[in-house]
Amino acid sequence: ETGVTQTPRHLVMGMTNKKSLKCEQHLGHNAMYWYKQSAKKPLELMFVYNFKEQTENNSVPSRFSPECPNSSHLFLHLHTLQPEDSALYLCASTKRSGGRAVDEQYFGPGTRLTVT
Amino acid sequence: AQSVTQLGSHVSVSEGALVLLRCNYSSSVPPYLFWYVQYPNQGLQLLLKYTSAATLVKGINGFEAEFKKSETSFHLTKPSAHMSDAAEYFCAVSTTLDGSSNTGKLIFGQGTTLQVKP
Repeated sequence: ETGVTQTPRHLVMGMTNKKSLKCEQHLGHNAMYWYKQSAKKPLELMFVYNFKEQTENNSVPSRFSPECPNSSHLFLHLHTLQPEDSALYLCASTKRSGGRAVDEQYFGPGTRLTVT
Repeated sequence: AQSVTQLGSHVSVSEGALVLLRCNYSSSVPPYLFWYVQYPNQGLQLLLKYTSAATLVKGINGFEAEFKKSETSFHLTKPSAHMSDAAEYFCAVSTTLDGSSNTGKLIFGQGTTLQVKP
């Protein structure tokens, strides 16, 4: 596997289910991100992890729970979701360095989530 | 604070015609700017980036963008559109709090859907 992978690619779940999304990066990066992409809305940053530490939570409801066990893996645990949570969930990674130097983010293919 | 605005949520061109996708940014410090492309049912792929070197940046698939400070713009162009260019395009700016370090976050524009007609 190369780049950023996400599983599953598609997920249908009821509002009372518990499921998890998985992201894995094979690029040696040290920062990982979860984004939500809904139809006709801008990409929404949900969580940021730097060196396995969560550094950003953009007022995301507690029914979304991230986990970053190491710098290569990122999970998004889902429970009691609402229909409006249906969206494409994208994972991304980058290599953070000091100063203004910026490396681009590399994205996975996303998980298409449908909440019924 | 930094922000980015993409003018036009939908752009339609004929195959072989010039592609012009507009992006304007707001930043109190020299920005780092990116263009990404998203094909259906896929993640975002980097087309090109501007990081304060040459103002004309060449990317993949024949795309290029020019950084114009006076106009606060970073428009994406391609001389001749192909059917395979049909996708959604996102402009993004890297954020900084103090101008000397990056936050590791990108702010994305709303996206522009490019339609290419035969």
